Amino acid sequence: EAQVTQNPRYLITVTGKKLTVTCSQNMNHEYMSWYRQDPGLGLRQIYYSMNVEVTDKGDVPEGYKVSRKEKRNFPLILESPSPNQTSLYFCASSLFGGRVGDEDIQYFGAGTRLSVL
Amino acid sequence: DAKTTQPTSMDCAEGRAANLPCNHSTISGNEYVYWYRQIHSQGPQYIIHGLKNNETNEMASLIITEDRKSSTLILPHATLRDTAVYYCIVRGRTNAGKSTFGDGTTLTVKP
Repeated sequence: EAQVTQNPRYLITVTGKKLTVTCSQNMNHEYMSWYRQDPGLGLRQIYYSMNVEVTDKGDVPEGYKVSRKEKRNFPLILESPSPNQTSLYFCASSLFGGRVGDEDIQYFGAGTRLSVL
Repeated sequence: DAKTTQPTSMDCAEGRAANLPCNHSTISGNEYVYWYRQIHSQGPQYIIHGLKNNETNEMASLIITEDRKSSTLILPHATLRDTAVYYCIVRGRTNAGKSTFGDGTTLTVKP
């Protein structure tokens, strides 16, 4: 079954304790992206990756890091989490990220709810 | 990405058609219009997309104006399970990789 898998689904941590949220897709997609969603708001893009070893900032990259060492995985790293990073996080993937000018449907994971105390 | 504008909320009676509008007046020629929906806090789910022509699938229909500056998502017979937040986004070569979701439209289907 084609899917995007995020882990963990729920995480409670304390300020300053480094954490990683993993994201994996099994559709051989070149493009992957991370979003955060805060109450009553839409999704805001954090980082995206057009392919292996190619990453770029989205609209709200401060306080986050990513890496894309292999095609299927795109972890989100919070080196020193702060309470303002408490949010619902989504990972998504698509074939080419819109690069080839053809249709490009994004598939989303189930989300990771993070609380930073 | 071109910015999109959607109404904050809409109501619809169960069994009636729900028509959700979206303005994307700065859309580029190579950008597609995509619609997604999010039920509660689940991951957004793809509904339909189009470039110029009207499109229909098993979930919905998409009407794009001739100048491509706006579109309408139509759920022909809304059910209570269609209550969700609906997002309209545009995406294509112009700003490949970037993906801007607005606040969407909260559709409430009422019995």
